[in-house]
Amino acid sequence: GAVVSQHPSWVICKSGTSVKIECRSLDFQATTMFWYRQFPKQSLMLMATSNEGSKATYEQGVEKDKFLINHASLTLSTLTVTSAHPEDSSFYICSASGTSIAKNIQYFGAGTRLSVL
Amino acid sequence: AQSVTQLDSQVPVFEEAPVELRCNYSSSVSVYLFWYVQYPNQGLQLLLKYLSGSTLVKGINGFEAEFNKSQTSFHLRKPSVHISDTAEYFCAVSVNLGYSTLTFGKGTMLLVSP
Repeated sequence: GAVVSQHPSWVICKSGTSVKIECRSLDFQATTMFWYRQFPKQSLMLMATSNEGSKATYEQGVEKDKFLINHASLTLSTLTVTSAHPEDSSFYICSASGTSIAKNIQYFGAGTRLSVL
Repeated sequence: AQSVTQLDSQVPVFEEAPVELRCNYSSSVSVYLFWYVQYPNQGLQLLLKYLSGSTLVKGINGFEAEFNKSQTSFHLRKPSVHISDTAEYFCAVSVNLGYSTLTFGKGTMLLVSP
């Protein structure tokens, strides 16, 4: 199947700092990328959807100024958590869909665990 | 809007026993169905999918699922589970493949014991 790489896998930061998470499609062109947040023992909550070269579409209740999403190329999307606070601590997962082997199917990264102190 | 119901939050089973994880969906239009598995502290891995064609689909790791349109179900089955199958399983639906937004169920934790 298609491979999606997410980095870093774990990050600890101080309150008030910003954190950037990268999501890369390694063997296909990701025309659409998705960012999810997952709380312990819960399902995935879609935060936003981004199409390459366009502004991201955020789900209701997600602050676009806090969670900045960039999808500047067909293989890379980034999520920046700005001025992070302890309540932003969570597991963030990206997924990608696009051409060839990833057509019509979302493939997921391994996730990033963010801990804000 | 569509929704997904996974009736069992947890399914305990002994090794080598068969298992079925239930998934029901609700949608006013045709759907595409997926099962994903999540191991601890990892992302989701696609187990299998139903897009069209045969209603019985086979996936990785010996899993299979059957799409039943009349019962709006897509139950996941495995005839003999292993300890390594212990994980969280998510059922998901999509109504638009070109813009493949997924709606997930709440997940079922499969606990396999020796």
